[in-house]
Amino acid sequence: DAGVIQSPRHEVTEMGQEVTLRCKPISGHDYLFWYRQTMMRGLELLIYFNNNVPIDDSGMPEDRFSAKMPNASFSTLKIQPSEPRDSAVYFCASSNPGTGQFFGPGTRLTVL
Amino acid sequence: GENVEQHPSTLSVQEGDSAVIKCTYSDSASNYFPWYKQELGKRPQLIIDIRSNVGEKKDQRIAVTLNKTAKHFSLHITETQPEDSAVYFCAASSNDYKLSFGAGTTVTVRA
Repeated sequence: DAGVIQSPRHEVTEMGQEVTLRCKPISGHDYLFWYRQTMMRGLELLIYFNNNVPIDDSGMPEDRFSAKMPNASFSTLKIQPSEPRDSAVYFCASSNPGTGQFFGPGTRLTVL
Repeated sequence: GENVEQHPSTLSVQEGDSAVIKCTYSDSASNYFPWYKQELGKRPQLIIDIRSNVGEKKDQRIAVTLNKTAKHFSLHITETQPEDSAVYFCAASSNDYKLSFGAGTTVTVRA
């Protein structure tokens, strides 16, 4: 298995622009997670899905952030409009009950 | 919500010595405690986990202990090697899914 796949790996954008991050979970995994990692706040869970349904989005920082999972093999995290404080590494992870969470390589986002 | 504290924030050990990282958690309902290793510029990788019905778990040079009464758990790395140098994160969850992470421990193994 290729593991969790994320794209793009790096994204540089200007403040106010829309940013879309993409994730393909490990085939067969029922759970998908979006995390954000910064030096100041560490690793934070933003939202997670079970069978494509959002279960807990209490970590989404504000309305500028939205996440979707239209099918079992694809999810997006969108920031609109982006701000410099959104600069971080965004990780997607997937799991099944009892497997532990497997992380993707991350997307390094820089908002200028 | 769950609050996980991790100590120390940095740890330097001589190759071959042991390293111990400790975490405390606040939510008594937490029952799943994974540990992740993150090398510079890489993704966090699950190295070991423990559930509340087990007091200790070992995998080669890595072991984790859990004290539910005191609400703390620890990672032990024996016979450290240079490739053990990384940032280690503990986490806690009451449902396997909503993980709350500690702030991380940067471990440096000196040759």
